[in-house]
Amino acid sequence: EDQVTQSPEALRLQEGESSSLNCSYTVSGLRGLFWYRQDPGKGPEFLFTLYSAGEEKEKERLKATLTKKESFLHITAPKPEDSATYLCAVQAASGNQFYFGTGTSLTVIP
Amino acid sequence: GAVVSQHPSWVICKSGTSVKIECRSLDFQATTMFWYRQFPKQSLMLMATSNEGSKATYEQGVEKDKFLINHASLTLSTLTVTSAHPEDSSFYICSAIDLTRAQYFGPGTRLLVL
Repeated sequence: EDQVTQSPEALRLQEGESSSLNCSYTVSGLRGLFWYRQDPGKGPEFLFTLYSAGEEKEKERLKATLTKKESFLHITAPKPEDSATYLCAVQAASGNQFYFGTGTSLTVIP
Repeated sequence: GAVVSQHPSWVICKSGTSVKIECRSLDFQATTMFWYRQFPKQSLMLMATSNEGSKATYEQGVEKDKFLINHASLTLSTLTVTSAHPEDSSFYICSAIDLTRAQYFGPGTRLLVL
């Protein structure tokens, strides 16, 4: 069964304290793994797409990596404005459907 | 990047009325759009897959007659909540798939049924 698990459920960091969010997945053929940021009361904002193991992508303080079983979203020297819920989704090769994790709620304290 | 819009951004209606929510892909064509529902502090719950020119595919437990979906063109899908009741109050989010098969989300529509 295709599924996505994110950990931790919630994370509190001091400003400048780097950390990583995890997204573990099982899927019958990976078409792509997606990271999104969601602020309260808004739709998810696209961050990255990763297609194959070993791939890495960066954007400002965020870096996403992918292996055959999991993806990490590394946050370097976070700022309070990075506080949000980060969602991971996996798209199976067999179709259009996306499988979402439950998200990690990140709070960065000044 | 690809932009998806939703209208309205929020709506308040009386119980028993119908509400239509529009989802548009502004700078790309989307043969597939998704409709999600999200409860407070919970992740996205897929309601249905909207395919241009054909009937929508509904997830288990989602009433087809209650949540009518029409994918009229390659840039527009609509979700109509028929005979809305207070339990239908929620945050509804649409998304669209572009040619690279990436998924982009709209800003969401908050529905409150009194």
